[in-house]
Amino acid sequence: DAMVIQNPRYQVTQFGKPVTLSCSQTLNHNVMYWYQQKSSQAPKLLFHYYDKDFNNEADTPDNFQSRRPNTSFCFLDIRSPGLGDAAMYLCATSRDAGVNEKLFFGSGTQLSVL
Amino acid sequence: QKEVEQNSGPLSVPEGAIASLNCTYSDRGSQSFFWYRQYSGKSPELIMSIYSNGDKEDGRFTAQLNKASQYVSLLIRDSQPSDSATYLCAVKGGGFKTIFGAGTRLFVKA
Repeated sequence: DAMVIQNPRYQVTQFGKPVTLSCSQTLNHNVMYWYQQKSSQAPKLLFHYYDKDFNNEADTPDNFQSRRPNTSFCFLDIRSPGLGDAAMYLCATSRDAGVNEKLFFGSGTQLSVL
Repeated sequence: QKEVEQNSGPLSVPEGAIASLNCTYSDRGSQSFFWYRQYSGKSPELIMSIYSNGDKEDGRFTAQLNKASQYVSLLIRDSQPSDSATYLCAVKGGGFKTIFGAGTRLFVKA
């Protein structure tokens, strides 16, 4: 089945220790997104890639970076995680940029910062 | 003002009843509206989308949109305990960004 896969499902890191979360997709979608969701809050868009074009949300901290080496894979790098970065990180894809395009989510990575 | 507002709940309904979930949004330019269901600790999954004023039905689910009032709702008929989850309202205008509400927690009592 075509899908969006995130690894790992749970990630524990130490305060200030860089961490990378990964996402892959077999849907061949053009757009990949990273959302951050804290407990009982709305998912918040961090950035997206349309093909190789990267778009950072204005309020995304510099501590967060992303890479998309090819159509299938996208990575979220947190350079120096703080306690406030503990959250669920959701990777999503959409086929294209149209207004009716739906999001397809991976299973998420729950990040804990000790 | 939040861009997408939902009552956080919990909304508690007995099994077999109709659950009614509501959402308001601030951007009049929003064009697409979505309801996602999210079980605790899981990722959101799309259950309904609606793009024009009126009602859209899919099985036990009905989405309702009123753009003049900037209001979207989701009705769940014959609610089941398995419907117990958080329901996220999401809106999209032109471009890439889908904006989510914080969700309404629904609890269906057996």
